[in-house]
Amino acid sequence: QVQLVESGGGVVQPGRSLRLSCAASGFTFSNYGMHWVRQAPGKGLEWVAVISHDGSNKFYVDSVKGRFSISRDNANRTLYLQMYSLRAEDTAMYYCAKTAGRGHLDYWGQGALVTVSS
Amino acid sequence: EIVLTQSPGTLSLSPGERATLSCRASQSVASSYLVWYQQKPGQAPRLLIFGASSRAPGIPDRFSGSGSGTDFTLTISRLEPEDFAVYYCHHYGSSPLTFGGGTKVEIK
Repeated sequence: QVQLVESGGGVVQPGRSLRLSCAASGFTFSNYGMHWVRQAPGKGLEWVAVISHDGSNKFYVDSVKGRFSISRDNANRTLYLQMYSLRAEDTAMYYCAKTAGRGHLDYWGQGALVTVSS
Repeated sequence: EIVLTQSPGTLSLSPGERATLSCRASQSVASSYLVWYQQKPGQAPRLLIFGASSRAPGIPDRFSGSGSGTDFTLTISRLEPEDFAVYYCHHYGSSPLTFGGGTKVEIK
């Protein structure tokens, strides 16, 4: 079955960097686009970024453009989110999610918590 | 950016009752690109409905989606105890993808 397991979360000071990983299994990773979606504590869902199946296309929400970078390693079935210049408002649970054949997000990981605090 | 507004914010109902959740878009959304998720505390979102009205695999038929253009609805015909949760609508037809603010269905 499809499994997505995020790692790399933690507590980081404002202005510092962090890289999240998402290990995928149970499907042909290289065939599907992948997303990052975040959820601040007690708040709703916010889409962060998407990468196409081959990594050639990437899109970001405006609030992270120039600070976050999404990438993937298809050989190792892993999705990444490199986060630079972190701010307090980036504090959230970060979920990776798989794109279904029809384009919607069908499977989600359990999330990695990122806390930006001094 | 397409803004999705969900109403009501909270719905207080009893098991066995019918729940009707609304999602209104700031501009027309192709039905193909409208999705509903369920989220329980401490869990990741779970796909319920895609293409505005198609149930995801394994989703009970008490869940149904409808609507077009700017107005979409998620209906739970008879609430079961496990259905009390937060529900989000979501569009993915254009960037940025957006989510509604959520409707919490709580036990009355």
